Amino acid sequence: GAGVSQSPSNKVTEKGKDVELRCDPISGHTALYWYRQRLGQGLEFLIYFQGNSAPDKSGLPSDRFSAERTGESVSTLTIQRTQQEDSAVYLCASSLVGLRGASTDTQYFGPGTRLTVL
Amino acid sequence: AQKVTQAQTEISVVEKEDVTLDCVYETRDTTYYLFWYKQPPSGELVFLIRRNSFDEQNEISGRYSWNFQKSTSSFNFTITASQVVDSAVYFCALYSSASKIIFGSGTRLSIRP
Repeated sequence: GAGVSQSPSNKVTEKGKDVELRCDPISGHTALYWYRQRLGQGLEFLIYFQGNSAPDKSGLPSDRFSAERTGESVSTLTIQRTQQEDSAVYLCASSLVGLRGASTDTQYFGPGTRLTVL
Repeated sequence: AQKVTQAQTEISVVEKEDVTLDCVYETRDTTYYLFWYKQPPSGELVFLIRRNSFDEQNEISGRYSWNFQKSTSSFNFTITASQVVDSAVYFCALYSSASKIIFGSGTRLSIRP
């Protein structure tokens, strides 16, 4: 596809269960970002992948959160033992060269995955 | 510590007015990056601009312009001749290698016809 895609679009889970959220970036984009937005609140950075470099995990809120990216393709965000406070929209974005590249580098966002933890 | 302040929680103007959204940041790093994003009522997030700290040139893109001033640690965003389609929440953000990406709390902009 032409844009960033995320799946599922909606996920309802029970407290304590694990969930996996998927992001398919734009082909050729070396950088991939995960963000979180709780209902009615602002944006939180979670994790940033840049090529083959070690990911910047500084935004992950707890060790229940992890993410992987295979090469410069799909990424999976995993939340273990979900809690109600994990309910949010999880947004993925990709860009061609990443945060330390040219200032013209544009981030393209996916539609998000709405996670509801009951 | 890194911090981004968007003091204007909500702004409402009449269509065709000019409006400026303020963004003030704090960082001790000499190399950093500033961003603006738009989130319209539909919820999708749109990247607007990125500015590197070593490039203080102001930017103009159509009706949008950005004023980056290191002396006052500000990266303000102006919409000229606002339109109803500009109604959205706008987020400013800061990134440096010493810290994660930090977002401001956002400014909700309403353009009245």
